[in-house]
Amino acid sequence: AQTVTQSQPEMSVQEAETVTLSCTYDTSENNYYLFWYKQPPSRQMILVIRQEAYKQQNATENRFSVNFQKAAKSFSLKISDSQLGDTAMYFCAFMNAGKSTFGDGTTLTVKP
Amino acid sequence: DTEVTQTPKHLVMGMTNKKSLKCEQHMGHRAMYWYKQKAKKPPELMFVYSYEKLSINESVPSRFSPECPNSSLLNLHLHALQPEDSALYLCASSLTGQNRGELFFGEGSRLTVL
Repeated sequence: AQTVTQSQPEMSVQEAETVTLSCTYDTSENNYYLFWYKQPPSRQMILVIRQEAYKQQNATENRFSVNFQKAAKSFSLKISDSQLGDTAMYFCAFMNAGKSTFGDGTTLTVKP
Repeated sequence: DTEVTQTPKHLVMGMTNKKSLKCEQHMGHRAMYWYKQKAKKPPELMFVYSYEKLSINESVPSRFSPECPNSSLLNLHLHALQPEDSALYLCASSLTGQNRGELFFGEGSRLTVL
């Protein structure tokens, strides 16, 4: 069975600063996908970024980038130039064989 | 259209009631999912339908009964629920049931069982 661990239940960052959210996972699979999802308060969950395990290059999406270390089974999310709208709960997720496993989430607060 | 639409948004029911949650997507996705989410917790997978067939049931109690009438619709029938079943029920879809599909989530149906 896969496990996903997010060791930071809560984090805060000043607007315009950079913050990194941690995620580690455990699996014996070699072919899988990793995702970061964002769930703002009382709003729907949306995809932030995804990484294919077979790709060595780290994924980037505008202000969001990941540091994917396959051997270490680590998948951290870096948010640059944080904005107030980034305030949300962030979930790291692992997908294999049609099943997603989510971490417990990190609540990020961006302060003005 | 990149939406997953869930109805109703809120539902209050007694333990003897029968109700249904509905989910609809028109993105041509062939995999659809039901998740249960408690406050400040991650979504917990309940069921997965792939090409309109139930492919995963995460040992969910029989008081929850999923149905996939066609590739665009997913229902969750509720009967004889318990107060601890109160939660946000999320529907999601993905292009296929394979590894690479990101999940598209609906806004959820918030269920309260009295």
